[in-house]
Amino acid sequence: ETGVTQTPRHLVMGMTNKKSLKCEQHLGHNAMYWYKQSAKKPLELMFVYNFKEQTENNSVPSRFSPECPNSSHLFLHLHTLQPEDSALYLCASSQVGIQETQYFGPGTRLLVL
Amino acid sequence: QKEVEQNSGPLSVPEGAIASLNCTYSDRGSQSFFWYRQYSGKSPELIMFIYSNGDKEDGRFTAQLNKASQYVSLLIRDSQPSDSATYLCAVMDYGGSQGNLIFGKGTKLSVKP
Repeated sequence: ETGVTQTPRHLVMGMTNKKSLKCEQHLGHNAMYWYKQSAKKPLELMFVYNFKEQTENNSVPSRFSPECPNSSHLFLHLHTLQPEDSALYLCASSQVGIQETQYFGPGTRLLVL
Repeated sequence: QKEVEQNSGPLSVPEGAIASLNCTYSDRGSQSFFWYRQYSGKSPELIMFIYSNGDKEDGRFTAQLNKASQYVSLLIRDSQPSDSATYLCAVMDYGGSQGNLIFGKGTKLSVKP
């Protein structure tokens, strides 16, 4: 595997379900990000992890819970979501302090029923 | 609040023409600028980054930065139908504990054969 991978690629869940999104980066980067992309809106930064420490929580509802066990893996745990949470969830990674260009994974298309 | 503005389009150009995509930003102190391309249903992929005033060329793509006027543009020469996508402008914001990207809503480009 190369670059940034995400699983699952598509997810349909009910409002009472609990699910997790997984992201893995194979680039040796030290920072990882979760973004939400909804139709007609710019990419919204949700969480940032730098060296496994959360450095940014962009006023995200508590029904989204991130976890970063190491600098290569990032999870987004989902519970009791709302239909308006349906969106494309993108993971990205970068090397903070060097070039800081962010590279994106393929995304998880989430539909909440 | 720091903002990045783009004309949402669609911008339609004939094959072989030059496509010009523009972006303005609100933070005069911004130093790093990025252009991403996003095909429908896919994740953003980096095209170019630019840090210095002036032009930066990479193949058919030229990024232009004018910090005094707070705008950055992307020119695509000899446009091809395969260039049809949404182009996202992003500006690095160092207001937090580390640099984070602020994205515009994107400009949809359509290249007609």
